[in-house]
Amino acid sequence: ETGVTQSPTHLIKTRGQQVTLRCSSQSGHNTVSWYQQALGQGPQFIFQYYREEENGRGNFPPRFSGLQFPNYSSELNVNALELDDSALYLCASSLDGLAFFGQGTRLTVV
Amino acid sequence: KQEVTQIPAALSVPEGENLVLNCSFTDSAIYNLQWFRQDPGKGLTSLLLIQSSQREQTSGRLNASLDKSSGRSTLYIAASQPGDSATYLCAVHRGYGNKLVFGAGTILRVKS
Repeated sequence: ETGVTQSPTHLIKTRGQQVTLRCSSQSGHNTVSWYQQALGQGPQFIFQYYREEENGRGNFPPRFSGLQFPNYSSELNVNALELDDSALYLCASSLDGLAFFGQGTRLTVV
Repeated sequence: KQEVTQIPAALSVPEGENLVLNCSFTDSAIYNLQWFRQDPGKGLTSLLLIQSSQREQTSGRLNASLDKSSGRSTLYIAASQPGDSATYLCAVHRGYGNKLVFGAGTILRVKS
């Protein structure tokens, strides 16, 4: 049990739609990161938030955006969904360099 | 640009064998290295964290070593069990404000 929970666990969306994925981190973990994991690959960094401010971003287009809230929860928003956005989306909170991951949200875009 | 490579990509062994999973990285300026386990369709479970100043970490049947100068880490699993079957991922971290960079993983199958 990592203390990081994600919702929903599975989601099916149509191309062009928008989606919001949610993550609840452990209390006191003020850094949260989001990763995209395509089938058969390692997770790829999307962005990171520290104290509600974005402080790092990977090679993802602006239609991927996020928010972090004071209660240690966060959101990943994806606009104008594309078929290639189908993946497992992972949220991670960290403390002292140790990352704790949630169980992920499996997004399927049809 | 940091790149992480894991060898082998897949491994199938009989129960009881000792085995070694390899991870290499191109940039030795890392803050720490973390090994994870991932069951199919699930999230990542942290196995071991090695700080850049450390050489190894042990947890039960697992031992991970780190050689920063050569850009290598190994995960040693003793007396493998069918329950060890999973994908094992290594990731390097450059420190505060930076991301984890993952390898593609090693898919392990332990046969009973």
